[in-house]
Amino acid sequence: DQQVKQNSPSLSVQEGRISILNCDYTNSMFDYFLWYKKYPAEGPTFLISISSIKDKNEDGRFTVFLNKSAKHLSLHIVPSQPGDSAVYFCAASRKNTGFQKLVFGTGTRLLVSP
Amino acid sequence: GAVVSQHPSWVICKSGTSVKIECRSLDFQATTMFWYRQFPKQSLMLMATSNEGSKATYEQGVEKDKFLINHASLTLSTLTVTSAHPEDSSFYICSARDNPGTEFGIAKNIQYFGAGTRLSVL
Repeated sequence: DQQVKQNSPSLSVQEGRISILNCDYTNSMFDYFLWYKKYPAEGPTFLISISSIKDKNEDGRFTVFLNKSAKHLSLHIVPSQPGDSAVYFCAASRKNTGFQKLVFGTGTRLLVSP
Repeated sequence: GAVVSQHPSWVICKSGTSVKIECRSLDFQATTMFWYRQFPKQSLMLMATSNEGSKATYEQGVEKDKFLINHASLTLSTLTVTSAHPEDSSFYICSARDNPGTEFGIAKNIQYFGAGTRLSVL
């Protein structure tokens, strides 16, 4: 049962344009959401997060939007740069899980072309 | 800040041998560390949660006798793959949870990851 889903395995965007990566979740108990960026053969790098009490969080070129009623979050990258090309994972954390496990989506490969 | 170091980055071993992977939090103390495994083109699958000073908690389907975890200090957790076989070949990644507090009563659960270890069992 995939509780966190990223339905687009890949996305191609031109440099300077907006990249929008989407993530859906099924468990309403999730209360904290994160986006990670991953290059091949490296560990994920934390990008930005949002708690369920908010609907938007912004950090430089990265903005995360959360729609709790739709159980949907998205990551906007503006403007996109070639160095943003990587696999992006969304992750969710659930209330009352003691050790605060993260559940990861399947990832979306972003390619930003010059 | 929040740097996690994982060593080695790549290891090749013969079938039947054991391999130890280290995960260190360099600039913060981590009472909880996590071990993941990633198969090609798939997501990160949590194997176990490592707690300082106590036994690790393993996810369903992960053999605890196969994947030994020790979290002896607040900055070090180790994963030992015992009697490795070719099917254990994979990319193993650790993470450590920093504790940056709460936001409106919700724990800011941010995990920082090591660079990963590529294990190849011949």
